[in-house]
Amino acid sequence: QLQMQESGPRLVKPSETLSLTCTVSGGSISSSDYYWGWIRQSPGKGLEWIGSIYYSGTTYYTASLKSRVTISVDTSKNQFSLKMSSVTAADTAAYYCVRHRYYNIPPGVVDYWGQGTLVTVSS
Amino acid sequence: QVVVTQSPSASASLGASVKLTCTLSSGHSKYAIAWHQQQPEKGPRYLMRLNSDGSHTKGDGIPDRFSGSSSGSEHYLTISSLQSEDEADYYCQTWGTGIQAFGGGTKLTVL
Repeated sequence: QLQMQESGPRLVKPSETLSLTCTVSGGSISSSDYYWGWIRQSPGKGLEWIGSIYYSGTTYYTASLKSRVTISVDTSKNQFSLKMSSVTAADTAAYYCVRHRYYNIPPGVVDYWGQGTLVTVSS
Repeated sequence: QVVVTQSPSASASLGASVKLTCTLSSGHSKYAIAWHQQQPEKGPRYLMRLNSDGSHTKGDGIPDRFSGSSSGSEHYLTISSLQSEDEADYYCQTWGTGIQAFGGGTKLTVL
């Protein structure tokens, strides 16, 4: 059974960098069938895709966040990570790590969600 | 850029059926979509992928009460024999090369 667990600081100060890691168990992050991504949800709002990565390191980011976001992968630890710089209160949200099932159009459909972690940006 | 449109709310009675709609913007009718359920105070859960030909792939453990269909640029999620735990937000998702798009979600109330 696949498990995906987000970890990282729950409170980040404005202008600092938000860092989260997703640890995958019950499946290999090096599988050619999947991309791995981050999606966030501001309180009371809808879902916003942040970006996704393949085990080879190929990344895709949403245009509005691309200048502040870096997603990386560590296949030896079966983990992938999110870094978002220069955060503001608008970045307060629940952050979910997800798995995409990749067929021929990357990154593909989201077919598994982590439980999510609420990150608050506040001084 | 693909835009995904969903009605903000829907309601139906316990034991009845409801059909939720997801509409893709012009020129994107061939895109596949997925439906996700988010119960109150919980994270989203993948329900199914729906291809433009109407075929679908459900997630693990998704009851047969949940089904999907398509007609042109409109995609549907039908929930039959509604139960109280079906009260949730339902999100439609589509994707293209290097992009992901979500609808604003439909809040389903079970009366």
